[in-house]
Amino acid sequence: QVQLQESGPGLVKASETLSLTCTVSGGSISPYYWSWIRQPAGKGLEWIGRIYSSGSSNSNPSLKSRVTMSVDTSKNQFSLKLTSVAAADTAVYYCARGGNYYYDTTGYRFDYWGQGTLVTVSS
Amino acid sequence: QSALTQPASVSGSPGQSITISCTGTSSDIGDYNYVSWYRQYPGKAPKLMIYDVSNRPSGISNRFSGSKSGNTASLTISGLQAEDEADYYCSSYTISSTVVFGGGTKLTVL
Repeated sequence: QVQLQESGPGLVKASETLSLTCTVSGGSISPYYWSWIRQPAGKGLEWIGRIYSSGSSNSNPSLKSRVTMSVDTSKNQFSLKLTSVAAADTAVYYCARGGNYYYDTTGYRFDYWGQGTLVTVSS
Repeated sequence: QSALTQPASVSGSPGQSITISCTGTSSDIGDYNYVSWYRQYPGKAPKLMIYDVSNRPSGISNRFSGSKSGNTASLTISGLQAEDEADYYCSSYTISSTVVFGGGTKLTVL
């Protein structure tokens, strides 16, 4: 059974960089798409971006200039960095698995999710 | 990219059927059959219920069905049960190779 676990600081100061890692267990990180999705308290889901196991990535245009994603296949992990954070970035951050690249080139459907981690941006 | 449009809330009585709509544009729902639906209980991660407009993942009840017409996708839940009470989100692949979610719909089982 594939399991995802987010890890990283729960508190980040405004203007600094939010860094999260998602560790995948019970399955290989290849050849899948992996996404980051966030949810402010009481609000809806927002897709942040996606990375393929080869390292290629793309992200939400509204966040693109602040988002960097990376993947470490040797550790079965992928990571998110969001720079210049503000209060509006306070949210539960989820990592999720998209499709198998060989069967689904969109990576848009998320069949496995982490439990989510709350990141609070403090002033 | 703008969020897909969903009703804020819907309700129904046990045994009834309800439908949740999800309206996008010709750059997302209208252009692809890549629409998925997620159920989310409070404090929990979302769960995939429908993908590719109308396909159910293994283990998902056939009480859940999806459809699409033009720029609008729909999720129908038949034989409503108390356990169906949750938030539901639609999402779509977009022409920009990104993913967009709907604002979410709170389903209340009366």
